[in-house]
Amino acid sequence: RLHLQQSGPGLVKPSETLSLTCAVSGGSASDTDYYWGWIRQPPGKGLEWVGSFSYSGSTFYNPSLRSRISISVDLSNNQVSLNLDSVTAADTAVYFCARAGRSGNYHFAFDIWGQGTMITVSS
Amino acid sequence: SYELTQPPSVSVSPGQTARITCSGDALPRKYAYWYQQKSGQAPVLVISEDTKRASGIPERFSGSSSGTMATLTISGAQVDDEADYYCYSTVTTGSVFGGGTRLTVL
Repeated sequence: RLHLQQSGPGLVKPSETLSLTCAVSGGSASDTDYYWGWIRQPPGKGLEWVGSFSYSGSTFYNPSLRSRISISVDLSNNQVSLNLDSVTAADTAVYFCARAGRSGNYHFAFDIWGQGTMITVSS
Repeated sequence: SYELTQPPSVSVSPGQTARITCSGDALPRKYAYWYQQKSGQAPVLVISEDTKRASGIPERFSGSSSGTMATLTISGAQVDDEADYYCYSTVTTGSVFGGGTRLTVL
């Protein structure tokens, strides 16, 4: 069964780049039948979709974050990465990685989730 | 940008039927999905493609969709169903979650 294990810094300074990784086990990050996505949740608030990436080359980013984010796959380590540039306190949230089925450009719901990583942006 | 609208809260007594709605202009053409999230945990997919119960989800959970509104129904709600529920959908430009509904069962 697929398992997603997240890792990240916990604390990031304002204006710096947030980098998170999501290690895939029980499957391959290069599987083009899936999207790999990131979702975040600020403390006490709802879920916000950040972006989704498929090794097929299909990528979708939240329009409000598009200028600052990139999602990629590292095949050598079978992991998915998120980079978020120029962070501010508003980026403080629990970040989840997750897998969603793909059919052409259609993006199904996220069915398998990582454990979540709390990221605090503070000096 | 595309939005999905949910009521902030729904409250029922144990054994009653809970209904949580989600409205969005694209729902006549796009599937709705539903997630359950308990405090401190990752969300769990409950309903897929408007009406399909996800693997391992009890039969008391059901979904429906008509026009611009999708509905999650919990028939005979239990105390253990107390959680936040989010609808979710995808459009050509990406994905979106509803604002979430806190279900209280007491």
